[in-house]
Amino acid sequence: GQNIDQPTEMTATEGAIVQINCTYQTSGFNGLFWYQQHAGEAPTFLSYNVLDGLEEKGRFSSFLSRSKGYSYLLLKELQMKDSASYLCAAFKQAGTALIFGKGTTLSVSS
Amino acid sequence: EAQVTQNPRYLITVTGKKLTVTCSQNMNHEYMSWYRQDPGLGLRQIYYSMNVEVTDKGDVPEGYKVSRKEKRNFPLILESPSPNQTSLYFCASSLLPNTEAFFGQGTRLTVV
Repeated sequence: GQNIDQPTEMTATEGAIVQINCTYQTSGFNGLFWYQQHAGEAPTFLSYNVLDGLEEKGRFSSFLSRSKGYSYLLLKELQMKDSASYLCAAFKQAGTALIFGKGTTLSVSS
Repeated sequence: EAQVTQNPRYLITVTGKKLTVTCSQNMNHEYMSWYRQDPGLGLRQIYYSMNVEVTDKGDVPEGYKVSRKEKRNFPLILESPSPNQTSLYFCASSLLPNTEAFFGQGTRLTVV
């Protein structure tokens, strides 16, 4: 079946590095998204990976391994404002419905 | 300003009373979709549209209808709302399915 799994909650301290994992099972892979959602707000786009490897964008990086059905989001130099939910998403099949993981709530403390 | 606009932001209604949540984007995007977000269940896609007059079911389409008569608008219709449709709804648009999606501010719907 089609499924996306990610941890429910994570905690970290300011300045640290945190890795949020996501595993997926889809019928036909067509890329994987990461979105950030602050409490009470709409999701905002972080990254889209379609090829294997690491893509870096400032303090945030996203990694994909298609053979393992695995991705992670790496957040460096954590700040309090990074406290949010991080959502992983992939298409059920290419060009069809998009499915999201349940989200990982990250709490950053000082 | 590039944006996705949903209306209303908040709505309380009674079971069975038809309602429409509007969604409009000003970015000339091809792909639009509707999601509902529930605690513990995450974001789930209801319907999506690849272009004008092209719509398809997402993961949880039961009890909902959509239309795409113009590129910019993608209304969500609940013909006979029920309490289990109480949720936070988001509309989103992107140039293509596999590009960055922009979300509306959300509509918090309560059906009593």
